[in-house]
Amino acid sequence: SQQGEEDPQALSIQEGENATMNCSYKTSINNLQWYRQNSGRGLVHLILIRSNEREKHSGRLRVTLDTSKKSSSLLITASRAADTASYFCATDGSGGSNYKLTFGKGTLLTVNP
Amino acid sequence: GAVVSQHPSRVICKSGTSVKIECRSLDFQATTMFWYRQFPKKSLMLMATSNEGSKATYEQGVEKDKFLINHASLTLSTLTVTSAHPEDSSFYICSAIPLPGLAAYEQYFGPGTRLTVT
Repeated sequence: SQQGEEDPQALSIQEGENATMNCSYKTSINNLQWYRQNSGRGLVHLILIRSNEREKHSGRLRVTLDTSKKSSSLLITASRAADTASYFCATDGSGGSNYKLTFGKGTLLTVNP
Repeated sequence: GAVVSQHPSRVICKSGTSVKIECRSLDFQATTMFWYRQFPKKSLMLMATSNEGSKATYEQGVEKDKFLINHASLTLSTLTVTSAHPEDSSFYICSAIPLPGLAAYEQYFGPGTRLTVT
């Protein structure tokens, strides 16, 4: 099965609520990154967490990494309608490549005003 | 900084014709660029790794004669879809990695090119 699988596939919440998305992967990694993509647009890099880190914060974003479970979570606090987008995790380090990224299937987040 | 552009942003072509998509790093040099393909509501699939001054490395299942990649300079990579067919219609995204000394672990992504083959 695919490296980097997010769940849920789709998430709909109200503005102000928190959104949590999860990502699982299968092989060892060097880094895990989260990206955001608005419909029909390019990717925006959100945050990178290294394999020796367990948690990282950036503004309203909180990312955790559990290498023993090969999983990561992205928490967006106090969500806004503008957070509506698809969110992808991507891992690197599989097969020895530091730069080749393997993307998950993505979570479509809808934040209702 | 670290801006990647793609041109064109949208292109419609007739079946059987070839289409060239450009990927440029605007404010940094990149020896390595990547080309991805994304189907509607799906994830990005890596097609090939473009290396400046050498041949591209294609992922398994990607036809190198159909998707020609040229990385002629440190700021430009091109993807040519040859003899395009409707099944080649997709969203193509490139990314670039800055030369060492910058944020080497981050790929900077272009805005994507929507290709529609009629």
